[in-house]
Amino acid sequence: GAGVSQSPSNKVTEKGKDVELRCDPISGHTALYWYRQSLGQGLEFLIYFQGNSAPDKSGLPSDRFSAERTGGSVSTLTIQRTQQEDSAVYLCASSLRGEETQYFGPGTRLLVL
Amino acid sequence: GESVGLHLPTLSVQEGDNSIINCAYSNSASDYFIWYKQESGKGPQFIIDIRSNMDKRQGQRVTVLLNKTVKHLSLQIAATQPGDSAVYFCAENMGSGGGADGLTFGKGTHLIIQP
Repeated sequence: GAGVSQSPSNKVTEKGKDVELRCDPISGHTALYWYRQSLGQGLEFLIYFQGNSAPDKSGLPSDRFSAERTGGSVSTLTIQRTQQEDSAVYLCASSLRGEETQYFGPGTRLLVL
Repeated sequence: GESVGLHLPTLSVQEGDNSIINCAYSNSASDYFIWYKQESGKGPQFIIDIRSNMDKRQGQRVTVLLNKTVKHLSLQIAATQPGDSAVYFCAENMGSGGGADGLTFGKGTHLIIQP
């Protein structure tokens, strides 16, 4: 596609449920990033993929958070046993290998009740 | 870790005026800086970037200035338009060629264009 796409655009879930968020990067972009943005705040880096591997997972806030990427393209961010503090906008970005400029998707707005 | 911060959370300017959004960074090892614009309900949109070997870069109606001596970054928007109303984030990257740490973002400045 022309840009980074994310789904769902909005997700409302109950505390304790698991959620999966999906990111489709720009075609040909090998690097993929996940960020979290709380209301009125800046972006918090979560995890980075180069191809299918994630060299650095230290940004994930707890072991309830995990992410994977298969085929060097689509990535899913999974949050297990969601908590109310997980409510935020989850943004995905991608970039070309060797380039710093990251292009963002529209985000998934997660609300945990 | 070191962080990127913004001086003003909200900036209100008259339509047609120029605006300047400031950003302070503390990581002297950062070698790449970028400005994003985020409109309500949307993801951040790339505006302009600059590397540490430059002190000025111009785009269409936007200019980014980098002062490494005082670790200061600014975004100048000329002849502001209603569509410029958004939150503007500065971000830094320590690594070249993309980084495992991603970009470090400031909290953002909300630019409001008054008619």
